[in-house]
Amino acid sequence: ETGVTQSPTHLIKTRGQQVTLRCSSQSGHNTVSWYQQALGQGPQFIFQYYREEENGRGNFPPRFSGLQFPNYSSELNVNALELDDSALYLCASSSRGPRETQYFGPGTRLLVL
Amino acid sequence: SQKIEQNSEALNIQEGKTATLTCNYTNYSPAYLQWYRQDPGRGPVFLLLIRENEKEKRKERLKVTFDTTLKQSLFHITASQPADSATYLCALDMESQGGKLIFGQGTELSVKP
Repeated sequence: ETGVTQSPTHLIKTRGQQVTLRCSSQSGHNTVSWYQQALGQGPQFIFQYYREEENGRGNFPPRFSGLQFPNYSSELNVNALELDDSALYLCASSSRGPRETQYFGPGTRLLVL
Repeated sequence: SQKIEQNSEALNIQEGKTATLTCNYTNYSPAYLQWYRQDPGRGPVFLLLIRENEKEKRKERLKVTFDTTLKQSLFHITASQPADSATYLCALDMESQGGKLIFGQGTELSVKP
């Protein structure tokens, strides 16, 4: 059991809407990374937060934004949703520095219509 | 930019045989290479990590090799079981990128009884 939880499990939105996805990291973990996984593909790195500061970002537009809170939980916000944003969104937490083993949550399945 | 290739074809093997999965990458070698298992509808689960100065790593029935000359990692599951059926992802941790993981597209393994 990894201890990383995500909510909601599934979500349906329409184009142009905004969405907020949530992640609770495993106890003792101070780093959270977010990934987008399209069907049949590997996860793609969106960004990472370490002790509440953004610590690296992948090739995603600014309408993908995030936050990390003092208890190390995190949010991923996506504005102006597009059809291609339909995917499984994964959160991963790790302990100590950013390069420790990452523990993934079950993901949030987002469908944009 | 860094590219990762895993066997795109699904791998079907008989129970008891050894499964060998391949991960090839371009450009410069990562500081770390990791292997994950992912079941349908679930987040990836960490299996093994190998560092650039290590040639081989073992854990129970799992073995990973890392050849920086060939720019390749091989992942072996010995005495395979139907419960090993899943998608296996390789991920590169590029130290210069601040610890983000770059994933391959995954190889689906099916172990038949």
